[in-house]
Amino acid sequence: GNSVTQMEGPVTLSEEAFLTINCTYTATGYPSLFWYVQYPGEGLQLLLKATKADDKGSNKGFEATYRKETTSFHLEKGSVQVSDSAVYFCALISRTGNQFYFGTGTSLTVIP
Amino acid sequence: DSGVTQTPKHLITATGQRVTLRCSPRSGDLSVYWYQQSLDQGLQFLIQYYNGEERAKGNILERFSAQQFPDLHSELNLSSLELGDSALYFCASTRGQGASYEQYFGPGTRLTVT
Repeated sequence: GNSVTQMEGPVTLSEEAFLTINCTYTATGYPSLFWYVQYPGEGLQLLLKATKADDKGSNKGFEATYRKETTSFHLEKGSVQVSDSAVYFCALISRTGNQFYFGTGTSLTVIP
Repeated sequence: DSGVTQTPKHLITATGQRVTLRCSPRSGDLSVYWYQQSLDQGLQFLIQYYNGEERAKGNILERFSAQQFPDLHSELNLSSLELGDSALYFCASTRGQGASYEQYFGPGTRLTVT
């Protein structure tokens, strides 16, 4: 079956620190992978995506690389800002399916 | 603003009652997904419609039902409500189906069952 596992939160970092949020997946075939971000009181927004192995998705300084050999899609940012405080969700959709599978979310708080 | 609208924003009701949540997808989007977000369960996929037809079903209880109308808006009906149904309910829309299409999420409806 399909599933996504994310590192447990909450994560608290100081401004300008390096961020990694781990995400691993189980899927039949070769899924597309996504990171979504949810700011307080809002719905989820797509942050970045990758549709095939070795693809790197990037947006707003965040990056994630689709690693087929380790079934991972870890989110990284070199220097976080207070405005990055949010909940981050890793997700996948299989090539043949219609359903998105989400991880449980990782809460990030960045302190000045 | 994602272009997806959900009403109402907040809903407070009693156990045993029935409520209807409404979602209007982005203009031109044919597919609607419903999700339940609770503190202990994360984001759970409930059901998906494409152009009026049910296409995928997730962890949706038998007390819950949904439909998508000819104008493509969708409604999620929750009946015989229990305290545990208190959650944020999101809908998301996509242009088509499958991995090529990005999901756009609405702001959610917060349901509180007392």
